[in-house]
Amino acid sequence: GAVVSQHPSWVICKSGTSVKIECRSLDFQATTMFWYRQFPKQSLMLMATSNEGSKATYEQGVEKDKFLINHASLTLSTLTVTSAHPEDSSFYICSAVRGDTVFQETQYFGPGTRLLVL
Amino acid sequence: AQKVTQAQTEISVVEKEDVTLDCVYETRDTTYYLFWYKQPPSGELVFLIRRNSFDEQNEISGRYSWNFQKSTSSFNFTITASQVVDSAVYFCAPQTSPISNFGNEKLTFGTGTRLTIIP
Repeated sequence: GAVVSQHPSWVICKSGTSVKIECRSLDFQATTMFWYRQFPKQSLMLMATSNEGSKATYEQGVEKDKFLINHASLTLSTLTVTSAHPEDSSFYICSAVRGDTVFQETQYFGPGTRLLVL
Repeated sequence: AQKVTQAQTEISVVEKEDVTLDCVYETRDTTYYLFWYKQPPSGELVFLIRRNSFDEQNEISGRYSWNFQKSTSSFNFTITASQVVDSAVYFCAPQTSPISNFGNEKLTFGTGTRLTIIP
């Protein structure tokens, strides 16, 4: 299979602190990973595309200084929510692209991280 | 840009009934991919199927089947003999082909269909 992990699964923090979320592809290498956020009973909203060895590409309206993404290796991408505020509380999901060729690429998702900012 | 419509916001069926989830998409690409994902209450999205636009054969996998109609831009998903474990939100998501847009494997998610199987 294609396994993607996220850590932590749950985090509660105080307003103003920074939170780092890790996304790992456990049994494959992923040049590309994606970060999404999802509010209750809503669809997934793409935040950014994370490419190994290069800067992330952010979607319109997503603050790059607020959501720092680092794709340091082919199996690890991190999302840091800096100076978190209650409105940043959400469900953050990562995905990693797996495929032997561009014609077979599929996104596999991590289990998500629930962030609650008090 | 791609767009996807899942008109059924919520569906409830009694266990063992068959249920079909509709998906209609819009794309300007001649080559593209279509995905279905399942999101159970735990939150993790589970990959169900990937379909290439140039392959119009329908597919069956156990109790799951997919009907791809390129002429009507639909990619519907049927669950046969539904079970309580099928209760989840299901997302249909088209993706631009790397042929048209190399390096951009973004998925476009619909609003999802919340399926509840009543025991």
